Amino acid sequence: QITLKESGPTLVKPTQTLTLACTFSGFSLNTPGVGVGWIRQPPGKALEWLAFIYGDDDKRYNPSLETRVSITKDTSKDQVVLTMTNVDPVDTATYYCAHKPLGLLHPADFDFWGQGTLVTVSS
Amino acid sequence: DIQMTQSPSSVSASLGDRVTITCRASQEIGTSLAWYQQKPGKAPKLLIYAASSLHSGVPSRFSGSGSGTDFTLTISSLLPEDFATYHCQQAKKFPLTFGGGTKVEIK
Repeated sequence: QITLKESGPTLVKPTQTLTLACTFSGFSLNTPGVGVGWIRQPPGKALEWLAFIYGDDDKRYNPSLETRVSITKDTSKDQVVLTMTNVDPVDTATYYCAHKPLGLLHPADFDFWGQGTLVTVSS
Repeated sequence: DIQMTQSPSSVSASLGDRVTITCRASQEIGTSLAWYQQKPGKAPKLLIYAASSLHSGVPSRFSGSGSGTDFTLTISSLLPEDFATYHCQQAKKFPLTFGGGTKVEIK
């Protein structure tokens, strides 16, 4: 059974760096073609994809955030970490990590999601 | 970036109704489209992948169709647990993009 869970601060101040961890189980992120993505959702708004990492360590970023966001994986801990620098109140959102399954029919969609963690950016 | 436009943004329907939601991509994406259901305070759940394939455990009253730029999600007969917000997502190209969501409300 695949599970993911996000963890990190609930409140950060503007200009600070946000670090979120996604701890997963039920799959290996050493498998090429498997991946983990980060997606966020500001209160009452649409979903926004942030970053993605494949099992072979290939990484993709949303160009609108690319200069501020970094994604890494630690397979020994079964974790994926998202770092976002210089946060602003507009970054207030629920942040989700999600699993991309193996297979040609799943180029980049997500079959299992974490519960999400609400991060508020405020002084 | 590929823009995903969902319509309507909200729909009021009664139990037993057939509901259809549309998602249009700004460029051709083949069948690389997923649909998710999200209830308040919860994470999205995958319903449909590859435009028309039902994810494991999803009831057969949900179906997806389309290819290219135009896609639909249909709920054949609305049940109480189907009142939620539905999102489409293109999985063809990075950056991955989502539609604005369609809220299915009780009439």
